[in-house]
Amino acid sequence: DIVMTQSPDSLAVSLGERATISCKSSQNVLYSSDNKNFLAWYQQKPGQPPKLLIYWASTRESGVPDRFSGSGSGTDFTLTISSLQAEDVAVYYCQQYYTTPRTFGQGTKLEIK
Amino acid sequence: EVQLLESGGGLVQPGGSLRLSCTASGFTFSSYAMSWVRQAPGKGLEWVSAISGRGGSTYYADSVKGRFTISRDNSKNTLYLQMSSLRAEDTAVYYCAKGGDTSELVRWFDPWGQGTLVTVSS
Repeated sequence: DIVMTQSPDSLAVSLGERATISCKSSQNVLYSSDNKNFLAWYQQKPGQPPKLLIYWASTRESGVPDRFSGSGSGTDFTLTISSLQAEDVAVYYCQQYYTTPRTFGQGTKLEIK
Repeated sequence: EVQLLESGGGLVQPGGSLRLSCTASGFTFSSYAMSWVRQAPGKGLEWVSAISGRGGSTYYADSVKGRFTISRDNSKNTLYLQMSSLRAEDTAVYYCAKGGDTSELVRWFDPWGQGTLVTVSS
């Protein structure tokens, strides 16, 4: 199984500042034939189901604010929130879909400083 | 608007069985692979099972293989998860999720239902 490891486990950022979450996979999730990284990011607010933010490592889902961006390739990925808003307080998860079983990172809890 | 509504959760004794349902609307159900993902109280996300759009291919996490069975009825736009030999560690909110594209196997999950709580306890 591919193990997904996020860092940090929790993060406190001031409103308007940048938040950066790292996700590392134990194996490469870049499919070389089409140069696509099989990685997604989700946001989960308290009491709600997860919500898709990004897929193919950097493609923003429709309706997701452009302050959210994804980057990286191979085994190292980053979710960046360029200017933190109060409504961004949540737990964020990465997920690989390169192989089965699909696996998630352990989550990063983002709070306001 | 895509909607997924889970039902069937509840309290069950260890060793017991339960069947979860997920009723879908707002999209062509048979065109999309579907999946179940669970979340134990206060914990992270764990993929449980997936099924192709026509139901011909199924996939399971090792933790549930041989105990859980995923199925779908495309005429009813409904996804199922039959759970048997339940254990305390199966206690979780179970989410139904739609595949984000029309690939055979769910890649990313979008959207997710609100979830149904399964509690395994004596």
